[in-house]
Amino acid sequence: DTGVSQNPRHKITKRGQNVTFRCDPISEHNRLYWYRQTLGQGPEFLTYFQNEAQLEKSRLLSDRFSAERPKGSFSTLEIQRTEQGDSAMYLCASSPGTGQNEKLFFGSGTQLSVL
Amino acid sequence: QKEVEQDPGPLSVPEGAIVSLNCTYSNSAFQYFMWYRQYSRKGPELLMYTYSSGNKEDGRFTAQVDKSSKYISLFIRDSQPSDSATYLCAIPGYSSASKIIFGSGTRLSIRP
Repeated sequence: DTGVSQNPRHKITKRGQNVTFRCDPISEHNRLYWYRQTLGQGPEFLTYFQNEAQLEKSRLLSDRFSAERPKGSFSTLEIQRTEQGDSAMYLCASSPGTGQNEKLFFGSGTQLSVL
Repeated sequence: QKEVEQDPGPLSVPEGAIVSLNCTYSNSAFQYFMWYRQYSRKGPELLMYTYSSGNKEDGRFTAQVDKSSKYISLFIRDSQPSDSATYLCAIPGYSSASKIIFGSGTRLSIRP
C-alpha cells in the first residue's frame, strides 16, 4: 500500500492520560502535515515538517501537543494530559515537498475520544 | 472573518441533478483554489484545483471562480449516489503556501 498510513484508527482514553499517534507518509514525500478535524468542521492545520524540520506550528498546538519526525520518515503526535476538548479526528497528510500549491495526500485519520 | 467560508448544508438532491456547491473567500489576493472530497471515515482527497482565471472542467465536475464577488463554486453534473460525500473548498495559507486552509465543508447526499 503506497498511501498515508495512520495508527491507531481509534483511540479512547480517559481525561488526563497521554496519547501518541503515528503517521507513515508516502515514501519519498518530504513534507508531512498534521491536521485536526471536529464534527461538522473542515480540517484545521496543526503543524508541518519539511523532512525532519518542523517548520510551522499553529496557535492551536498548545504546549500539551508535541510532534516529531525524527528521521524525516514517519511522524508521531503526542498529546499530554488529554482534555475532553481534544476529542477529534487527527489527520496526517504528506506531499512531495518540491514546490508551491502541492497536492496533499491524507491518511484516514485517528479518531480520539477523551472520556 | 474566516479566510474561506462555506455553507455546511446538508444538501440532498435526487440522482441525475446538477449540484452547486459554493464558498466565499476573504482576500482578493488569493489566486489558487482547491476542492477536496471527503467520504465518511476517510481523509480528504483532492478533487480539483483552479486558478482565479475562470472555469475548469474535469468530467462531470466544473470549478468556477468569480473574482469580483470572491466566490468559488463546484458544479456536479449528472450526480451519482457515489458523489455523496463532504466537499471542502480550500486555499493556500497566508504565511505558507504549504499550509492549506479548509472551509467547513458541505455534506452532500445524492438520493437514488
